[in-house]
Amino acid sequence: DAKTTQPPSMDCAEGRAANLPCNHSTISGNEYVYWYRQIHSQGPQYIIHGLKNNETNEMASLIITEDRKSSTLILPHATLRDTAVYYCIVTPDDKIIFGKGTRLHILP
Amino acid sequence: EAGVTQFPSHSVIEKGQTVTLRCDPISGHDNLYWYRRVMGKEIKFLLHFVKESKQDESGMPNNRFLAERTGGTYSTLKVQPAELEDSGVYFCASSQLKLRGTDTQYFGPGTRLTVL
Repeated sequence: DAKTTQPPSMDCAEGRAANLPCNHSTISGNEYVYWYRQIHSQGPQYIIHGLKNNETNEMASLIITEDRKSSTLILPHATLRDTAVYYCIVTPDDKIIFGKGTRLHILP
Repeated sequence: EAGVTQFPSHSVIEKGQTVTLRCDPISGHDNLYWYRRVMGKEIKFLLHFVKESKQDESGMPNNRFLAERTGGTYSTLKVQPAELEDSGVYFCASSQLKLRGTDTQYFGPGTRLTVL
C-alpha cells in the first residue's frame, strides 16, 4: 500500500499558486519524498523530490515539514496544462507504489 | 537526450493471441521497470531489471507474462496467451544505477493494450 495520503481532488484558478498537500507520517529517515504527475493518459512525469530540505526546480517547489511527516508541492503559477493527477510517493524500495493521487483541476 | 520510448503505442489483439511490448530505456540507465494500469485501478509495479538481471518480479501477475532484457539494453514484455483482464496501459521506466541515496525513474509514454 502507498505510504502517503492525499486529497482526492483540488481546484485552482489559472495563474494562481497550486498547493498540493501530502501526509506521510510513517516515513523513515532515509526515505525520499517524490512527486510525479500524470497528464491524461500519458506516462507519469517526474516533478521533484526531496529528503528533508525544501527543494525548487523549474517546475515546482517542495516544502517538507521539519518532522518530515508531511509535505506540500507548490506550482507557482498554475496553467491549464497543469491539469493532471499528482502523486506523492514515499517508497522504501526501488519500485514505486502509486496511490490514487490528487486530481488537480485548473479553472480558467 | 532521448527519453524512454515504448513500442507499439497501441495494440489490439484477440483473447488467446500473443503480444510483445518493447521498451527502450534512456541510454546509460541500468535500471528498467515495468508497470501497468488496468481500467479504474492505480498504476501497479510489475518488475525491475538491473542491467540484464531480474531484481524484483514480485508484481508479475502470472506465468503468462514473460519479461526479458537481453544484453541489458532494451526490454520486452510478452503476454502469451492474452486474456481480457490483461487490457490496460503498460508503462516502462528507467533510472541510473543507484550507488547511494535515491534514483529518479523516468517513464515512457506507455503502450495501450486492448484484448478483445
